Amino acid sequence: AQSVTQPDIHITVSEGASLELRCNYSYGATPYLFWYVQSPGQGLQLLLKYFSGDTLVQGIKGFEAEFKRSQSSFNLRKPSVHWSDAAEYFCAGTMKTSYDKVIFGPGTSLSVIP
Amino acid sequence: SAVISQKPSRDICQRGTSLTIQCQVDSQVTMMFWYRQQPGQSLTLIATANQGSEATYESGFVIDKFPISRPNLTFSTLTVSNMSPEDSSIYLCSVLDSGGLHYEQYFGPGTRLTVT
Repeated sequence: AQSVTQPDIHITVSEGASLELRCNYSYGATPYLFWYVQSPGQGLQLLLKYFSGDTLVQGIKGFEAEFKRSQSSFNLRKPSVHWSDAAEYFCAGTMKTSYDKVIFGPGTSLSVIP
Repeated sequence: SAVISQKPSRDICQRGTSLTIQCQVDSQVTMMFWYRQQPGQSLTLIATANQGSEATYESGFVIDKFPISRPNLTFSTLTVSNMSPEDSSIYLCSVLDSGGLHYEQYFGPGTRLTVT
């Protein structure tokens, strides 16, 4: 079955420290992959996406993600975290067919210590 | 890009009643989706609503509980019927804009439902 997993339910980092949020996928072929952020009381915002090609993807707000086929992973990274990055982060995936759906991972809650 | 609005933004309802949530998109889209996000949880797809056809429901969701209408390419409604406190969630409308190598999914701001 298709699935997206995020092993870390909650992560706490200090402001200015680096960040890596893990995401693993299980699909029959390489899916399209996404990272979304949801700030408290806010809607979902797309950070970045991977379709094909360069496995290192740059996104908004200084985030990047690396697709690793051998590890079925699509981890999100940021070199220096800001307090405003505290939010819920969702990894998601889909197969690019006309009638397929996006499957969301369970989410990782990020707390930032001043 | 697509801009999505939802009405109402939030509501408090009594158990046993029904609420209809509206989703309006500023452009014509073929595929629309309805998601549920229970408190502290991730997003779960309720159904896919394509204009001109019956909605396709995911496992665990049925039409009698969550009837969906899709009268045209810019509008859809989701009704939460015979509500119970377990239906307290955020309900999100989403649309897909895809073609060739282009694939963008947009989300509405959500409707926060509390059932008492």
